[in-house]
Amino acid sequence: GQQVMQIPQYQHVQEGEDFTTYCNSSTTLSNIQWYKQRPGGHPVFLIQLVKSGEVKKQKRLTFQFGEAKKNSSLHITATQTTDVGTYFCAGPKDTGRRALTFGSGTRLQVQP
Amino acid sequence: NAGVTQTPKFQVLKTGQSMTLQCAQDMNHNSMYWYRQDPGMGLRLIYYSASEGTTDKGEVPNGYNVSRLNKREFSLRLESAAPSQTSVYFCASKVADRLLDTQYFGPGTRLTVL
Repeated sequence: GQQVMQIPQYQHVQEGEDFTTYCNSSTTLSNIQWYKQRPGGHPVFLIQLVKSGEVKKQKRLTFQFGEAKKNSSLHITATQTTDVGTYFCAGPKDTGRRALTFGSGTRLQVQP
Repeated sequence: NAGVTQTPKFQVLKTGQSMTLQCAQDMNHNSMYWYRQDPGMGLRLIYYSASEGTTDKGEVPNGYNVSRLNKREFSLRLESAAPSQTSVYFCASKVADRLLDTQYFGPGTRLTVL
């Protein structure tokens, strides 16, 4: 079955350093979504990528969808303590459109 | 606009007890979902309801049942709780069961089964 893997599982950075998390799917994805979950909170939608090679920016966050639509990345420039949380990627299950397969997430800790 | 609400927030059960987790949304969404989240495993889909009157199994349906009571409400029932069901349960909804629609999550129910 489809697998969505994320690396690293955990990253600890100093405030101001950059951070990148990578998402890899075993199958081609029609689209990919990114979510952020603060400690003790619930996942919150960040962005969706649809096109091959697409790059989208949200302030200090840059999202990229691979040319083959099997991988994606999230890069945060100059991290802040407000960036702390777990970042998940998710893609539609290969058996149909209705459900998402979530990656296991990357937990980001930012040291002030 | 409360979005997606879940009750209870926390629950402790003994093995074999039953309980129902409640979820409601006030965004007039057609599709609703139940996920469980375990440490290091992301979110896994338990059941979903693409529209009022329909329910379907997700990735990990064993030990659970669901009811789509009306358009607003989607409940998850554990008939005989087991320690393996200790988890955080999230309900989510979206406008329709379409590829590009965004999911909105509730605050979660933290369940411990002893």
